[in-house]
Amino acid sequence: NAGVTQTPKFRILKIGQSMTLQCTQDMNHNYMYWYRQDPGMGLKLIYYSVGAGITDKGEVPNGYNVSRSTTEDFPLRLELAAPSQTSVYFCASSPPEGGIYRRNQPQHFGDGTRLSIL
Amino acid sequence: KQEVTQIPAALSVPEGENLVLNCSFTDSAIYNLQWFRQDPGKGLTSLLLIQSSQREQTSGRLNASLDKSSGRSTLYIAASQPGDSATYLCAASGGSNYKLTFGKGTLLTVNP
Repeated sequence: NAGVTQTPKFRILKIGQSMTLQCTQDMNHNYMYWYRQDPGMGLKLIYYSVGAGITDKGEVPNGYNVSRSTTEDFPLRLELAAPSQTSVYFCASSPPEGGIYRRNQPQHFGDGTRLSIL
Repeated sequence: KQEVTQIPAALSVPEGENLVLNCSFTDSAIYNLQWFRQDPGKGLTSLLLIQSSQREQTSGRLNASLDKSSGRSTLYIAASQPGDSATYLCAASGGSNYKLTFGKGTLLTVNP
């Protein structure tokens, strides 16, 4: 059981380039999330999704886009990379509330993508 | 807007000591309070999740408490070990399991 897998692990981009951070989970979780973590700071939510075809903005969505065509995958796209987007990006997933889950379930995190924009 | 604060920012203790990490939040209308561990270069690992209706949760040497009225949670680590060295993050969930608001974390170092 791989859990949440993020690729690539490291990437260096030039200003203005675009790229897609990949995230896939094999736990059949409905909920998926993208966070960024800047040095010495907590995680901030970029986008989240409660199921295939449904996405919504988090606290810091500007400069990013997401899509959710399948339950397993939740890619994050940077269209015009800027130095302010240098960060560590984490993808996470969790089961839905209700159904077989009578109580809240914790989020499961990938190991992150370390992105530098120069 | 929910704000989560963790004190202290860093803590260094000798092996075997019992310790407490503190987390405070400004909006008491939380859904749950979660504690995570983060090792260098790694993602977050869930340690304990306290439902809003609960007062505490325990897992092995870890005990987390929740006092919504005062906006506080504590993580108690008994008999600390060098392997406990990591950054500990707390996060408050407002309205549902998503939209977690994270603190900046406490960097714990346990010295042998």
